[in-house]
Amino acid sequence: TQLLEQSPQFLSIQEGENLTVYCNSSSVFSSLQWYRQEPGEGPVLLVTVVTGGEVKKLKRLTFQFGDARKDSSLHITAAQPGDTGLYLCAGGRGAQKLVFGQGTRLTINP
Amino acid sequence: KAGVTQTPRYLIKTRGQQVTLSCSPISGHRSVSWYQQTPGQGLQFLFEYFSETQRNKGNFPGRFSGRQFSNSRSEMNVSTLELGDSALYLCASTRLAGGDTGELFFGEGSRLTVL
Repeated sequence: TQLLEQSPQFLSIQEGENLTVYCNSSSVFSSLQWYRQEPGEGPVLLVTVVTGGEVKKLKRLTFQFGDARKDSSLHITAAQPGDTGLYLCAGGRGAQKLVFGQGTRLTINP
Repeated sequence: KAGVTQTPRYLIKTRGQQVTLSCSPISGHRSVSWYQQTPGQGLQFLFEYFSETQRNKGNFPGRFSGRQFSNSRSEMNVSTLELGDSALYLCASTRLAGGDTGELFFGEGSRLTVL
């Protein structure tokens, strides 16, 4: 059973479109991180959110932490081919290790 | 500064063999974590080492083991390999142990294929 469920698992859209990726859990997390992994590389941290309801923006990417700190979303505006990759959410609970979702594989077609 | 370095990048083994993977963390980072990544299961936590001590352990059988040296470099070993052990093994380092808001710096991984 996956503690963090990401949806969709696969997403293929055209350049310029908007998209949202979801990360859901029945458990409360004290923090939520989003990573992006490109082929042949390890994941790279995009953002960390720690407060319920928090919204962070990174250029065209908007991250939100749910009010109850059980879920998070990643919204990309005007997607570009460079956004292609595997997006992973990871939840933290104190001293315990991060728990990762299974990822959303995003493909942006030119 | 240099990133996390994992060796080897690719390797092929047969069932029943054993394998050792190496990870050199970012200079100054004392915590090293290992993850197994497969298409079906995503990233699964194996274990974390800090100052040569195992601090956390995931739900993997005893065939999976690791250690950390005084220079913070870490190795993981898988004995009696099974087909299901085929995966990308990722190493990540952080400056401190535990802490849920710290950034994990990942290496490029070691891709293991078991035939």
